[in-house]
Amino acid sequence: NAGVTQTPKFRVLKTGQSMTLLCAQDMNHEYMYWYRQDPGMGLRLIHYSVGEGTTAKGEVPDGYNVSRLKKQNFLLGLESAAPSQTSVYFCASSYGFGEQFFGPGTRLTVL
Amino acid sequence: AQSVTQPDIHITVSEGASLELRCNYSYGATPYLFWYVQSPGQGLQLLLKYFSGDTLVQGIKGFEAEFKRSQSSFNLRKPSVHWSDAAEYFCAVGENNAGNMLTFGGGTRLMVKP
Repeated sequence: NAGVTQTPKFRVLKTGQSMTLLCAQDMNHEYMYWYRQDPGMGLRLIHYSVGEGTTAKGEVPDGYNVSRLKKQNFLLGLESAAPSQTSVYFCASSYGFGEQFFGPGTRLTVL
Repeated sequence: AQSVTQPDIHITVSEGASLELRCNYSYGATPYLFWYVQSPGQGLQLLLKYFSGDTLVQGIKGFEAEFKRSQSSFNLRKPSVHWSDAAEYFCAVGENNAGNMLTFGGGTRLMVKP
């Protein structure tokens, strides 16, 4: 099993460009999450999903959109990137309540 | 709203010395608590978790943590640190609700001196 995978690993954008981050899990987990990690701030939840076709806002949702068209995939979109979105993005998944399994992260730089 | 505080941003210990990383939380109900470790350039790996029962929980890699309700703390300990333990450690509190959301502390970066 690959666990949780994220594509791409690194990306550099210019302000105003758009992009989509892909998260895939092969553990048949119902719940999936997108976090961003900034120095000294730990991980902050952007959006999450409790099942295929459902999404909900987390702590810092502004500037991001998500979709969960398939159970195994959770996409994070930036429609118009801003320098404040420079961060490391982590995807995670879980069966329900309990341990979340994390992907390796995507390092995004917005110039 | 729940919150998690890790008072120590950086800690340096000598190899073979004991370690204690502090975590304090704010949560109205019985908390569900986690410690994760992140090696450089990697994702987060679960070290241990507390849901209920025995307040001293054992985890992987020789780590343990003790839940103290009266102090709202969940400190992580290891009796003898190895150089490979150098990493960043995150405490998190979870809610048993529909979203299973976790709130993370800011992290403690551990450096190990030879």
